[in-house]
Amino acid sequence: DAKTTQPPSMDCAEGRAANLPCNHSTISGNEYVYWYRQIHSQGPQYIIHGLKNNETNEMASLIITEDRKSSTLILPHATLRDTAVYYCIVRGYNSDTDKLIFGTGTRLQVFP
Amino acid sequence: DGGITQSPKYLFRKEGQNVTLSCEQNLNHDAMYWYRQDPGQGLRLIYYSQIVNDFQKGDIAEGYSVSREKKESFPLTVTSAQKNPTAFYLCASSGGTRGNQPQHFGDGTRLSIL
Repeated sequence: DAKTTQPPSMDCAEGRAANLPCNHSTISGNEYVYWYRQIHSQGPQYIIHGLKNNETNEMASLIITEDRKSSTLILPHATLRDTAVYYCIVRGYNSDTDKLIFGTGTRLQVFP
Repeated sequence: DGGITQSPKYLFRKEGQNVTLSCEQNLNHDAMYWYRQDPGQGLRLIYYSQIVNDFQKGDIAEGYSVSREKKESFPLTVTSAQKNPTAFYLCASSGGTRGNQPQHFGDGTRLSIL
């Protein structure tokens, strides 16, 4: 599975859009980009995933560059409850073990 | 509501004791997983099961055992052979092991040694 690189921390004002970047320059053609977040002392929460097209759901939007080497998770109107560690994960379609490899993520702090 | 239920939320183990962590899902998912998270660290895969009555070792299976007798249940036993069991244990499930099937997590069990 490809490795990902994320900034260790980011701040965002409440009500503004939070744009969280992720680099995955070694991604291969059949690997998906997944985003999860983890609030302290809770299990990771699935947010969104995509292969090559941009995706949107009720929580967020995922923008994947044309060469697929990077992506951005967008929380359109951040709230204080969005304060969490956000993980970008690359996951293969035919992975033998199907494990999720969580890196150190980006700690997003939303402030009033 | 559909989801994954882990119990108990907190668990304490005495030396030499086996303890079992419960994981139940009502999402009708075929695949289930157990991960371990240590403070400030990422998740490490302990065991996973793609179908009832079948399971596979993950990266750190030593000192742990599992069973998958029912589709909705995947209990994890932490045996006395696991010398450093203090951690946050997370159970997940997904509709399959293909890359486009998200894994959904429970809220975890925090295990400590007395």
